Amino acid sequence: AQSVTQLDSQVPVFEEAPVELRCNYSSSVSVYLFWYVQYPNQGLQLLLKYLSGSTLVKGINGFEAEFNKSQTSFHLRKPSVHISDTAEYFCAVSENDYKLSFGAGTTVTVRA
Amino acid sequence: EAEVAQSPRYKITEKSQAVAFWCDPISGHATLYWYRQILGQGPELLVQFQDESVVDDSQLPKDRFSAERLKGVDSTLKIQPAELGDSAMYLCASSFLPKSTDTQYFGPGTRLTVL
Repeated sequence: AQSVTQLDSQVPVFEEAPVELRCNYSSSVSVYLFWYVQYPNQGLQLLLKYLSGSTLVKGINGFEAEFNKSQTSFHLRKPSVHISDTAEYFCAVSENDYKLSFGAGTTVTVRA
Repeated sequence: EAEVAQSPRYKITEKSQAVAFWCDPISGHATLYWYRQILGQGPELLVQFQDESVVDDSQLPKDRFSAERLKGVDSTLKIQPAELGDSAMYLCASSFLPKSTDTQYFGPGTRLTVL
């Protein structure tokens, strides 16, 4: 069975600093990986997804993530954050194109 | 830009009462999902529809929860009777294809508080 662990529940960061959100998954088969963002009082929005091919995936709003099969990780990064990046971020995994399993989320708070 | 609509946005009810949530997916999206998001946790799939048919309801507590999508467009999720543990955010999402690799578009959610 698939599962996702987000290693940090809260990440405070200063504006214009880099940020990395860590995600590890467990699965016995091939997986697809996703990062979603949830801004305050809004629904979830897809940031990026890894289906196949290049292990470095670029998404919206300057975010990117790297799939590492040997370490079963899919960490999300942004080189310089803005106040508007304050949100909750969810990593999700899918086995064989079946349903999504979400992690518990990481709350990113960007301070000036 | 088309969006998934949900109502109400907030609902407060007392335990043992009945509650219902409504979702209108993006036009043309045949696949509709209902998720429950408990505070501090990620969303958990409750039920998935393909048109008017249920594809997956394995995590739906069927003794008290029901979901329908009669005409294959909008959908209603009902809880009867509500329990304290049902307090959560209920999210609706839709996608064009019934595959996890197809982008799911989420509504703003209904926050349920059971007193």
